[in-house]
Amino acid sequence: RKEVEQDPGPFNVPEGATVAFNCTYSNSASQSFFWYRQDCRKEPKLLMSVYSSGNEDGRFTAQLNRASQYISLLIRDSKLSDSATYLCVVNVASYGKLTFGQGTILTVHP
Amino acid sequence: DTEVTQTPKHLVMGMTNKKSLKCEQHMGHRAMYWYKQKAKKPPELMFVYSYEKLSINESVPSRFSPECPNSSLLNLHLHALQPEDSALYLCASSQDHVLTYEQYFGPGTRLTVT
Repeated sequence: RKEVEQDPGPFNVPEGATVAFNCTYSNSASQSFFWYRQDCRKEPKLLMSVYSSGNEDGRFTAQLNRASQYISLLIRDSKLSDSATYLCVVNVASYGKLTFGQGTILTVHP
Repeated sequence: DTEVTQTPKHLVMGMTNKKSLKCEQHMGHRAMYWYKQKAKKPPELMFVYSYEKLSINESVPSRFSPECPNSSLLNLHLHALQPEDSALYLCASSQDHVLTYEQYFGPGTRLTVT
């Protein structure tokens, strides 16, 4: 089983749609969780950290379920500029190594 | 905008060349990282520096040699690379490497080994 698993997609959605990405992780000792986005041929950029209480940043909502070892990202009112690869990232803080999922490709079309 | 800078943006080198990649961060972070990313794959950790000391080497071949001259700078010296080393090399930094801090990436150096 992979340490971090994501549905690779691709997800093709129209502008204005709501889309949800899911991610599972295998190491119960994982301590911190993030969503990054990566545009084609660019670096990963931090989208948001994910907390047990859930957190929201504008159109983006992230949830963490430690019991099920599951993380989600919800994007509401999708924009063309949301088209990117979304990386689920987990930190097992024993030495700070980030473990990346394979990424989920999102394309938002007019 | 990212506060981690990397130079050069692109590099083409032969298998007998020696070159260096440079990274600088302006956020006062004490941990810095080198990652390698191949097309359509997630980044893979290579090295971690914490408080200017190498703390993690993910079994990287010796043809890659990291150096941390001070808390803001990180270099990656390259020598006798192979074509399969062609990739995007990303530098990242975080406030600390032990605790659960976010990592911020530089724009990367796209390396082609001929």
